[in-house]
Amino acid sequence: AQTVTQSQPEMSVQEAETVTLSCTYDTSESNYYLFWYKQPPSRQMILVIRQEAYKQQNATENRFSVNFQKAAKSFSLKISDSQLGDTAMYFCAFMSPSKSTFGDGTTLTVKP
Amino acid sequence: DTAVSQTPKYLVTQMGNDKSIKCEQNLGHDTMYWYKQDSKKFLKIMFSYNNKELIINETVPNRFSPKSPDKAHLNLHINSLELGDSAVYFCASSPLYPLPANTGELFFGEGSRLTVL
Repeated sequence: AQTVTQSQPEMSVQEAETVTLSCTYDTSESNYYLFWYKQPPSRQMILVIRQEAYKQQNATENRFSVNFQKAAKSFSLKISDSQLGDTAMYFCAFMSPSKSTFGDGTTLTVKP
Repeated sequence: DTAVSQTPKYLVTQMGNDKSIKCEQNLGHDTMYWYKQDSKKFLKIMFSYNNKELIINETVPNRFSPKSPDKAHLNLHINSLELGDSAVYFCASSPLYPLPANTGELFFGEGSRLTVL
């Protein structure tokens, strides 16, 4: 069965600093996607970044980047130059045609 | 125009009642989902439909019955509501098929908060 593990229930970072959220997963499938979603207090789920498993290059989206280690089944999210608006719950997610699994989430607080 | 819309946004009801949550997407996606987010914020998939065909059916009580009249709609009907059904229910759609041409990204609705008293 697919599992997604986020080992950090809560994290905090000072504004303008860098923080890394960890995520590991387990799967036997070869075609899948990995995502990080952000859920602010408004409860809307917002896509932060995506990674196709068949791509070796790490995805980057402005201040957000991932470190995708396929062999280790690791998919961490790095947020650079943290902003107050980054305060939210972050979910790591695994998607394939037959499975959709979310981690338990990491609550990130950006402090001024 | 809202891409994935759910109604109602809030629902308060008594134990034992039957209720439905409707979901519609105007993105032309073939795949739609229902997720449940509990009070601890854990997000779990309940069902997935691809072009009206059930693809994913996780361990969910059979009091929950999804219905997809067409690929743009996926409704969730819940019978005999229990206290533990209180949660936020998210509908989502995705251009998952065909892989790997599509991104698999989930487009979420705003969620429907169900409170069972």
